[in-house]
Amino acid sequence: AQSVTQLDSHVSVSEGTPVLLRCNYSSSYSPSLFWYVQHPNKGLQLLLKYTSAATLVKGINGFEAEFKKSETSFHLTKPSAHMSDAAEYFCVVTVRRSQGNLIFGKGTKLSVKP
Amino acid sequence: DAGVIQSPRHEVTEMGQEVTLRCKPISGHDYLFWYRQTMMRGLELLIYFNNNVPIDDSGMPEDRFSAKMPNASFSTLKIQPSEPRDSAVYFCASSPGSGSDTQYFGPGTRLTVL
Repeated sequence: AQSVTQLDSHVSVSEGTPVLLRCNYSSSYSPSLFWYVQHPNKGLQLLLKYTSAATLVKGINGFEAEFKKSETSFHLTKPSAHMSDAAEYFCVVTVRRSQGNLIFGKGTKLSVKP
Repeated sequence: DAGVIQSPRHEVTEMGQEVTLRCKPISGHDYLFWYRQTMMRGLELLIYFNNNVPIDDSGMPEDRFSAKMPNASFSTLKIQPSEPRDSAVYFCASSPGSGSDTQYFGPGTRLTVL
């Protein structure tokens, strides 16, 4: 069975400092892993996706995530936070190429202080 | 591409009334998903379709909920009768299929049942 745990419900950083949002997953099969972002009163936007190619995945808006099988982690990072990054971020796991079986984490709310 | 389109964006209704939410998926996508998001339960998959056929409706909470997809470009989620605990944001998402499991979300419908 698949599951995903986002280790922090809320992360607060100052503008210009690095961002780290942590995610651990559990999957019996080769997983696909995603990060989605949800800005207030908006839908979910795909940030990046890991399938089976490079373990370091680059996404939009300067975000990237590294797949570490040994640690079953898929942490999201950004070198320098911007005010516009304030949003909720969801880590998602699925069995690769299985439609409909997206398992969402509880979400991490990122606050960015000026 | 216009992305996934949902209407209405906001709906306020009284308990006992029928509510119909609408979704237009991205053209050419074979899969359509309905999700519900609440503070308490996060994002929950309600039902999904493949080529207009319902594949998994195990997430539909009660018989008061029904979903249809009469053609490849339109789907509805109906709640009859509505109850205050149905208040949530309902998202529609679509996916191309054909080996891609990435889902693209609409902006959501915020439903308030008084």
